[in-house]
Amino acid sequence: SQQGEEDPQALSIQEGENATMNCSYKTSINNLQWYRQNSGRGLVHLILIRSNEREKHSGRLRVTLDTSKKSSSLLITASRAADTASYFCATDVLTSYDKVIFGPGTSLSVIP
Amino acid sequence: DGGITQSPKYLFRKEGQNVTLSCEQNLNHDAMYWYRQDPGQGLRLIYYSQIVNDFQKGDIAEGYSVSREKKESFPLTVTSAQKNPTAFYLCASSIKVAYNQPQHFGDGTRLSIL
Repeated sequence: SQQGEEDPQALSIQEGENATMNCSYKTSINNLQWYRQNSGRGLVHLILIRSNEREKHSGRLRVTLDTSKKSSSLLITASRAADTASYFCATDVLTSYDKVIFGPGTSLSVIP
Repeated sequence: DGGITQSPKYLFRKEGQNVTLSCEQNLNHDAMYWYRQDPGQGLRLIYYSQIVNDFQKGDIAEGYSVSREKKESFPLTVTSAQKNPTAFYLCASSIKVAYNQPQHFGDGTRLSIL
């Protein structure tokens, strides 16, 4: 079973709209990371949020973390066609310093 | 530019054949990883290495082998024992193996069976 799972599996929006993706996980974590993958390419690291942080921003990205609900959300504001990609959350396992587990991802389509 | 180079981009394997996927990094990272990605699924860890001449099995190591003779290089061999090798293979590196280290990825090798 996976540690983290993104929701929804797929999301389609118009350019200029905001996109929100969620990640839920099962066991306590030290950190949570978000990555982006363009079609046929490798993953690109977007942002890392620590378990003692509640919110983090990077450009048009806003990540929140609610450890009581074991969930995180990634908000992309004012989306662009270039944001079309799959987005993955990656969580660690509190008792294992070296293990990071990727969820199945959310596929985002931004329609021009 | 620093980064990770995977080759080839596409690879075809015949029945009973071993094939080797190349991964080279010039980021001076100690840690390197191999992941397998199947459609609609997340990445699954095959092997990882914390340092030269050391590597550890991940979640799906059966049918794969690796070596780490140089810091820059972490080749993956898909052996004939791997009965379902068709997938997208991704190599990554990080400064060290730790949960708080972002991983840097190559652009993958797509392996198919002939």
